[in-house]
Amino acid sequence: DVKVTQSSRYLVKRTGEKVFLECVQDMDHENMFWYRQDPGLGLRLIYFSYDVKMKEKGDIPEGYSVSREKKERFSLILESASTNQTSMYLCASSLPRLAGVADTQYFGPGTRLTVL
Amino acid sequence: AQSVTQPDIHITVSEGASLELRCNYSYGATPYLFWYVQSPGQGLQLLLKYFSGDTLVQGIKGFEAEFKRSQSSFNLRKPSVHWSDAAEYFCAVGAGGYNKLIFGAGTRLAVHP
Repeated sequence: DVKVTQSSRYLVKRTGEKVFLECVQDMDHENMFWYRQDPGLGLRLIYFSYDVKMKEKGDIPEGYSVSREKKERFSLILESASTNQTSMYLCASSLPRLAGVADTQYFGPGTRLTVL
Repeated sequence: AQSVTQPDIHITVSEGASLELRCNYSYGATPYLFWYVQSPGQGLQLLLKYFSGDTLVQGIKGFEAEFKRSQSSFNLRKPSVHWSDAAEYFCAVGAGGYNKLIFGAGTRLAVHP
């Protein structure tokens, strides 16, 4: 079974703090994704990575950065946390899209971040 | 632009009743379609997916979904709902390269005993 783990289930930070959210997958997947989930908005893609040290912006990258130094680990960084970044953050991983066929994304349990 | 619409924000059904959750998508090419379920406080679990072939797809936990190209729909069904099915359900379409997904806003299902 694919396992995607996230470093914290709940996190409380103060405005202006630098925040690191860590995600680790154990299935040697090339692709990794960071989403934020807000009520009524579903999941929105922040950033994704298709290989070590490679990253692409998603739909809402403002205020976030990412790091992928090892294949199994993908970090989301909030350089200066703000209250509007209070949300549920979900990490996912997948194999690459081969022969035009999309593959399943496997999700971690999520980190609920509160910024005060 | 690619998009996914789930018209129902909340649905309440009685235990044992049938269920249909609606999903409409907008995508120019052949869509890859997914249904995920999220139990309270948990991540997303894949229920089923459609890539090609038979338009009626069977998934886990007794769920099925039917792809209708003419209606741009991929509705999720279950003949008899159990109390443990109470959760939030997300429809998604695979968009472009790198296995990116576009999600709908979700439908929250409540089950009455």
